[in-house]
Amino acid sequence: DVKVTQSSRYLVKRTGEKVFLECVQDMDHENMFWYRQDPGLGLRLIYFSYDVKMKEKGDIPEGYSVSREKKERFSLILESASTNQTSMYLCASSLPGTRRSSAYEQYFGPGTRLTVT
Amino acid sequence: LAKTTQPISMDSYEGQEVNITCSHNNIATNDYITWYQQFPSQGPRFIIQGYKTKVTNEVASLFIPADRKSSTLSLPRVSLSDTAVYYCLVGSPRPNAGKSTFGDGTTLTVKP
Repeated sequence: DVKVTQSSRYLVKRTGEKVFLECVQDMDHENMFWYRQDPGLGLRLIYFSYDVKMKEKGDIPEGYSVSREKKERFSLILESASTNQTSMYLCASSLPGTRRSSAYEQYFGPGTRLTVT
Repeated sequence: LAKTTQPISMDSYEGQEVNITCSHNNIATNDYITWYQQFPSQGPRFIIQGYKTKVTNEVASLFIPADRKSSTLSLPRVSLSDTAVYYCLVGSPRPNAGKSTFGDGTTLTVKP
């Protein structure tokens, strides 16, 4: 079974702090994703990466950056946390879209509930 | 990206068949349709994926009409444990095409 793990289930940070959210997958997947989920807004894509050191912006990249130095690890960075970044953050991974049967079959981690006070 | 529209909520009873429809009028030729299930405090879980006609697995069936502008997820004989949010996702299997958009999802409540 694919396993996607996230460094924390719950995190509380203060406004202005730099925050690192870590995600690790163990299935050698090329693609990795960061989403945030808010009530009434569904899941929104922040960033994704299709290879080591490669990244592309999703729908809401403002206020975030990412790092992918190793294939299995994808980090989300909040340079200066703000209260409007309080949310559930979900990491996912998938095989590349070259395989028709696996296109968009994403495997999600358990999520990190971040509270910025 | 194809925008998807789903009903916000649905109610059902144990043992019934549930059909959730997703509209995606702007679906592109190479786009696939994927459905996910999410329980509270968990990440979404892949259910089923299809391109056209009908796909069936051990969990659900996916019906896609010829024009592909909509799709219907069918859950046979639901139980209380099927209470969850169901998301429809449309996207391309192109290489490196990771960008995707989840809609708001459909909250299914199964009653005894």
